[in-house]
Amino acid sequence: EPEVTQTPSHQVTQMGQEVILRCVPISNHLYFYWYRQILGQKVEFLVSFYNNEISEKSEIFDDQFSVERPDGSNFTLKIRSTKLEDSAMYFCAGTAVGETQYFGPGTRLLVL
Amino acid sequence: AQSVTQPDIHITVSEGASLELRCNYSYGATPYLFWYVQSPGQGLQLLLKYFSGDTLVQGIKGFEAEFKRSQSSFNLRKPSVHWSDAAEYFCAVGTNTGGFKTIFGAGTRLFVKA
Repeated sequence: EPEVTQTPSHQVTQMGQEVILRCVPISNHLYFYWYRQILGQKVEFLVSFYNNEISEKSEIFDDQFSVERPDGSNFTLKIRSTKLEDSAMYFCAGTAVGETQYFGPGTRLLVL
Repeated sequence: AQSVTQPDIHITVSEGASLELRCNYSYGATPYLFWYVQSPGQGLQLLLKYFSGDTLVQGIKGFEAEFKRSQSSFNLRKPSVHWSDAAEYFCAVGTNTGGFKTIFGAGTRLFVKA
């Protein structure tokens, strides 16, 4: 069964540094998402992406965040200048039209 | 606004005992409902989903859930819990307003005692 993959599995960075989290969605998926889960808390929606543009974003997704799908394969989340509170597990997800979201295994980001 | 409530932060059951995890949702239209399980440090695994049709849905690992529209509930059940079921369980609603996204509940941590 096809799976969503994410790299890296873990990343440690210094506050103020830029990080790029990568996701390879399932090939027939059309809608792509990023979610965040701060340790011990619930999973929160960040952004959805369709047809090469953001279709919806939450209040968490401020100007420090950006997403793109540069090569039609990888779907990336960039955090321009990381803050301590960005430390979390980041999940990529994808869906075909009207179907269940399939989540990747996550990238654990630690900002020091 | 859409929301999901899981009233139990944690539950402890004995191995072999039955389990019910509660979930209530708030959503104006017919909801898409999901249960996910997450082991510590791991990703989200889909246990089961409800889109339409039979309100009792079967999932993986022996889990089932029942959609009750009148109660806005989607409780998860398992007749006999195994120690390996210890994990965090998230109820979620899929919304299709302005694009599909999933809204998660706060989760219920299940502890299984021998």
